[in-house]
Amino acid sequence: QVQLVQSGAEVKKPGASVKISCKASGYTFTSYYIHWVRQAPGQGLEWMGIINPSGGSTTYAQKFQGRVTMTRDTSTSTVYMELSSLTSEDTAFYYCARDLFSGTYYYFDYWGQGTLVTVSS
Amino acid sequence: QSALTQPRSVSGSPGQSVTISCTGTSSDVGGYNYVSWYQQRPGKAPKLMIYDVSKRPSGVPDRFSGSKSGNTASLTISGLQAEDEADYYCCSYAGSYTLVFGGGTKLTVL
Repeated sequence: QVQLVQSGAEVKKPGASVKISCKASGYTFTSYYIHWVRQAPGQGLEWMGIINPSGGSTTYAQKFQGRVTMTRDTSTSTVYMELSSLTSEDTAFYYCARDLFSGTYYYFDYWGQGTLVTVSS
Repeated sequence: QSALTQPRSVSGSPGQSVTISCTGTSSDVGGYNYVSWYQQRPGKAPKLMIYDVSKRPSGVPDRFSGSKSGNTASLTISGLQAEDEADYYCCSYAGSYTLVFGGGTKLTVL
């Protein structure tokens, strides 16, 4: 069965960076795009960007450009999302999500369990 | 990339129908038939309910339906059930591999 397992909760100080992992299993890793979505406590969903695990190409939401980096390791079927220059506004649950169809980049089908990142001095 | 506009809340009684709107622009909702809807219950990850404007993934009840007219997409839930109480988010493709969400709508079943 398809599973996305994310790394554990993180507590960071303002100005620091955080790197979250998302390990995929149960399907051909390189066939499906992976998205990153975040949700601040009590707030709505926010799309951060997408990575093609096959070639590693990425597209980021304008809001996060220059501050986010998404990478993948095909040997371990893992994608990573690193966010730098953290502020309290970045306190949120961060989710990885697989696209619905192979080769498409429009929808979120399987989701990771979420990783809580808390930014506090 | 501005967020799509959804009503903050809607409500209905069991058995009734409710419709949640999602308004964007010609650069997102109006420009592509790649609109999706997600249901999110407290403490859970979102669940895909509608894709391609009006298609339902396997396992989603046919009480859930989607449509689009111009720059506005809609999710209709008929025969409301208590278990439908949740937050609902629309999402649209906005070109160049980017996506944009709506602000979310809280559905209360009275």
